[in-house]
Amino acid sequence: DAGVTQSPTHLIKTRGQQVTLRCSPISGHKSVSWYQQVLGQGPQFIFQYYEKEERGRGNFPDRFSARQFPNYSSELNVNALLLGDSALYLCASSQTGDPQYFGPGTRLTVT
Amino acid sequence: EDQVTQSPEALRLQEGESSSLNCSYTVSGLRGLFWYRQDPGKGPEFLFTLYSAGEEKEKERLKATLTKKESFLHITAPKPEDSATYLCAVQNSGYSTLTFGKGTMLLVSP
Repeated sequence: DAGVTQSPTHLIKTRGQQVTLRCSPISGHKSVSWYQQVLGQGPQFIFQYYEKEERGRGNFPDRFSARQFPNYSSELNVNALLLGDSALYLCASSQTGDPQYFGPGTRLTVT
Repeated sequence: EDQVTQSPEALRLQEGESSSLNCSYTVSGLRGLFWYRQDPGKGPEFLFTLYSAGEEKEKERLKATLTKKESFLHITAPKPEDSATYLCAVQNSGYSTLTFGKGTMLLVSP
């Protein structure tokens, strides 16, 4: 079975621009979570969606938003990019909340 | 606020030299403790879930244990392919999100 997929793999953006990251969960998984991982740190929780509803939000500014579609795929949007937004963005899916299975991530570089 | 502290930050072992990684945690109601392996530039790979003190899980050369305050990941006779960053995370009983530690970077030399 296919695992969690994310696109794009890599992305380079300029400060002030907007970016959209995409995630497809494992088939049958209805929950999707987004995490940000900066170099040398563990992943930090951004959002969780279940059945298209937001179930949790981490300590991130309103520039970050997300949504989940009827097919359970998800998008993460970041507006007004800052240099500090450069990170590996991880998507994880789960069936009942645990364990969460992660995708390969999207490497975002903001210049 | 849930907190996870992993030690050591980095560990270098010779092939065959067994050791343990530590994960100390504080959480208001533990729903589960998770171990993941992460290779450079890739997403974390799920290894184990532990739910209650005294529980143990094994997979090949890895064994995870859990007490009320910490978890250990024991690596027996490691091989170079075990080199990776090992992440520990806790799940609060009230939420489904994961709180991660910073990880332990393991390097196994032949």
